[in-house]
Amino acid sequence: AQSVTQLGSHVSVSEGALVLLRCNYSSSVPPYLFWYVQYPNQGLQLLLKYTSAATLVKGINGFEAEFKKSETSFHLTKPSAHMSDAAEYFCAVSYSSASKIIFGSGTRLSIRP
Amino acid sequence: DTAVSQTPKYLVTQMGNDKSIKCEQNLGHDTMYWYKQDSKKFLKIMFSYNNKELIINETVPNRFSPKSPDKAHLNLHINSLELGDSAVYFCASTPSLSFDEQFFGPGTRLTVL
Repeated sequence: AQSVTQLGSHVSVSEGALVLLRCNYSSSVPPYLFWYVQYPNQGLQLLLKYTSAATLVKGINGFEAEFKKSETSFHLTKPSAHMSDAAEYFCAVSYSSASKIIFGSGTRLSIRP
Repeated sequence: DTAVSQTPKYLVTQMGNDKSIKCEQNLGHDTMYWYKQDSKKFLKIMFSYNNKELIINETVPNRFSPKSPDKAHLNLHINSLELGDSAVYFCASTPSLSFDEQFFGPGTRLTVL
């Protein structure tokens, strides 16, 4: 079955520290991978997406993610956390043009001053 | 100039009532979706429509009935509301049935008492 797993429901880092949010997928075919961010009381917005081009994908707000086929991972990173990065982050996967997007369970990112 | 809008933003109602949530997108997209986000932030697709045609119908009770009068609108009607229906419901759209970015509405928080 197609699935995506986010390790850690809550991650807390200090302002200025590295942010690493983990995502692993299960797939027997090349996936299309996404990271979305949800700020409090808002809908989700796309941070970045991987669609079989470059394996290192740059997104908005200084975030990037690397597709590693051997590890079936698509971890999200940001070199230096900012207070405004505090939000819920969702990894998502899709496998074909007519299939649904499956979302992970989300990781809440908190930033300590 | 809101891209995807939902009404109402909040909905509080009694068990057994029937209610509707409306969604409109002004992006010219062909495909629209309904998602349910539970109290643990888990996001799951319910329905998708492409050019007013039902494409995805997940295992959702038939008390939930989507209606797409035109490709810019996708409404969700819920009969005989139950406590477990309490959640945030998100509408989203994509240009077509593909791996495109999903544009989400702000959500409708439904509370069933």
